Amino acid sequence: AQTVTQSQPEMSVQEAETVTLSCTYDTSESDYYLFWYKQPPSRQMILVIRQEAYKQQNATENRFSVNFQKAAKSFSLKISDSQLGDAAMYFCAYSSGGSNYKLTFGKGTLLTVNP
Amino acid sequence: DAGVTQSPTHLIKTRGQQVTLRCSPKSGHDTVSWYQQALGQGPQFIFQYYEEEERQRGNFPDRFSGHQFPNYSSELNVNALLLGDSALYLCASSLAGREPDSYEQYFGPGTRLTVT
Repeated sequence: AQTVTQSQPEMSVQEAETVTLSCTYDTSESDYYLFWYKQPPSRQMILVIRQEAYKQQNATENRFSVNFQKAAKSFSLKISDSQLGDAAMYFCAYSSGGSNYKLTFGKGTLLTVNP
Repeated sequence: DAGVTQSPTHLIKTRGQQVTLRCSPKSGHDTVSWYQQALGQGPQFIFQYYEEEERQRGNFPDRFSGHQFPNYSSELNVNALLLGDSALYLCASSLAGREPDSYEQYFGPGTRLTVT
């Protein structure tokens, strides 16, 4: 079974600085999808970024970028120029694709942004 | 662009009772998934509905059942409630047949269920 591990229960960053959240996963598949979701205190889970395993180029979305290391099964999220609104729980998620549509989530990393 | 909506926001039930939670998918989406999120944990997949049928199921007992309607909205039913069913229940929608976009799921705000 696929598993997703987020080893940092909590992280903090100063406003305007950069922070990296870690995620590792275990799978025997060669093609799959990885996601980072953000869950603010309002509870609504928001998709931050997606990475397809068959793409070597790391995904970027404005201030958010990933470092995808397929051989190491590592998928970290970098947030640049951190803003107060970035404070939230961040979840790493995996989908094996094909006929398997479920998302498998890690336990999350709580990010605090200090002014 | 209407996002995923869920009702009710909060619900309090007694052990042994039954509950129904409702979800309307994002405009243009045809697939609905349900997740259970216990306090301090990541969401756990319950099942997914597509074309009014359960397409995939996670490791949840038969007390958890669902339904999808022709307008793509969905219900999650839980029978014989246990204290351990207390959680945030999240609905997510997606659009089938548009790989790789089909694997992106958009979540609603959730229903907080408390079982006493």
